[in-house]
Amino acid sequence: GQQVMQIPQYQHVQEGEDFTTYCNSSTTLSNIQWYKQRPGGHPVFLIQLVKSGEVKKQKRLTFQFGEAKKNSSLHITATQTTDVGTYFCAGFMEYGNKLVFGAGTILRVKS
Amino acid sequence: EPEVTQTPSHQVTQMGQEVILRCVPISNHLYFYWYRQILGQKVEFLVSFYNNEISEKSEIFDDQFSVERPDGSNFTLKIRSTKLEDSAMYFCASRERQVPNTEAFFGQGTRLTVV
Repeated sequence: GQQVMQIPQYQHVQEGEDFTTYCNSSTTLSNIQWYKQRPGGHPVFLIQLVKSGEVKKQKRLTFQFGEAKKNSSLHITATQTTDVGTYFCAGFMEYGNKLVFGAGTILRVKS
Repeated sequence: EPEVTQTPSHQVTQMGQEVILRCVPISNHLYFYWYRQILGQKVEFLVSFYNNEISEKSEIFDDQFSVERPDGSNFTLKIRSTKLEDSAMYFCASRERQVPNTEAFFGQGTRLTVV
C-alpha cells in the first residue's frame, strides 16, 4: 500500500543543536506537507512543498522536497525548547485525495 | 481564525457500546476526514468524505464505522460496537478544495477510552 516512512523515530538534542527528520514515500507524491504536534495537542500545519527540488525556509526551519518527489526533510537550526513536539510529514499521492502521514519524529530539547 | 471543532473532548465508553464523535468543519470546506492516533503512534487515515459520500476509506474503517453529515454543518463518526483497541485520539480534519495543494485543518481531537 501507499506508505510514507519517517526517521528517526525519536531525537533528543541539547538546546542549540541542529535537528533533522527525513521522510520517504514508496510512491511519487503530488505534494508533501509538514505538521507539528505538541504533546497533548493536534497536528498543526507548518508548510507544504509542491515542486520537485523545492526548498522553503521558515526562520530556523528549512524544508526540502526531493527531485523525484519521493522524499523530503525538515531541518531545524539551533533548536530551542519551544521546538519540542512531534514532527509529521504527510503526503498526497499522485492519484488520491487523502493525506498519508509518516510515523513522526519526536523531538525533545534539553536546556 | 476559522477552526475545526470537535466534541466531546474526552469520551469514556463501555466495550460494546456505540459512540458518536462529532465535528464541525470549517464552513466553506468541502472535504472532510477522520484520522485516528493511538497513544504515541502515528496519525492513521480512516475515511474521507466529499459531496455527501465516502470517497476513500482505509482497512481500519470496517463495518463497525460509519460517517454522516446529517445537517450540512456537523460531520460525525459512529462506532457501532466499540472494542478496547478503538481507544485512541480521533481527529477530524477538513480541506477547502479538491486539489492537493491545500492544507488540512485538524480539530483538537476526541480522546476515546473504551473500558
